[in-house]
Amino acid sequence: NAGVTQTPKFRILKIGQSMTLQCTQDMNHNYMYWYRQDPGMGLKLIYYSVGAGITDKGEVPNGYNVSRSTTEDFPLRLELAAPSQTSVYFCASSYGPPTNEKLFFGSGTQLSVL
Amino acid sequence: AQKITQTQPGMFVQEKEAVTLDCTYDTSDQSYGLFWYKQPSSGEMIFLIYQGSYDEQNATEGRYSLNFQKARKSANLVISASQLGDSAMYFCAMRERVKAAGNKLTFGGGTRVLVKP
Repeated sequence: NAGVTQTPKFRILKIGQSMTLQCTQDMNHNYMYWYRQDPGMGLKLIYYSVGAGITDKGEVPNGYNVSRSTTEDFPLRLELAAPSQTSVYFCASSYGPPTNEKLFFGSGTQLSVL
Repeated sequence: AQKITQTQPGMFVQEKEAVTLDCTYDTSDQSYGLFWYKQPSSGEMIFLIYQGSYDEQNATEGRYSLNFQKARKSANLVISASQLGDSAMYFCAMRERVKAAGNKLTFGGGTRVLVKP
């Protein structure tokens, strides 16, 4: 079972460059999320989506954009990369909103902006 | 606004002993969920256990149990009979009641556990 797949696993960007982190899930989940994890810290929500065509900001959306054109895919776009965006990025999904619905996480993308 | 606090940045535990990881939370919602996730050195996030705010019994999953004290707003994770493979970061997280849309999980800062042989 593929679950949640993130690409790439590692990336180094120069300041000012742009890139897209890819995330796809094959579980037909409605809800998808992007989190970032700074070294030694917990996860912070960047953006989330409750279904195709619907996205909303999380705690730390500045410097990022998302789109959700299909149920399966939820790419995260970084525009004008900055060193503060050096982090590990996790994509996650869940079937629905009930409070006991656990999240399925991808394996993460380690991004360094130099 | 929610807040999840894990006051123990790191802990050592002897193999085969039990360890308790502290988690306190702050919410004004009546309906919420509490989760524990494990993050080994490989980096993936592994779901361990869930407790709903209306659940009367403490959650258990194998060697994991959640000591839920609603009045104190605490949801401590107990790992019994620690194994070397339990060495990892552990995150407490809370999901707030769903509003019009959204299902957001807020994480604590984590506790690093190192199991000694």
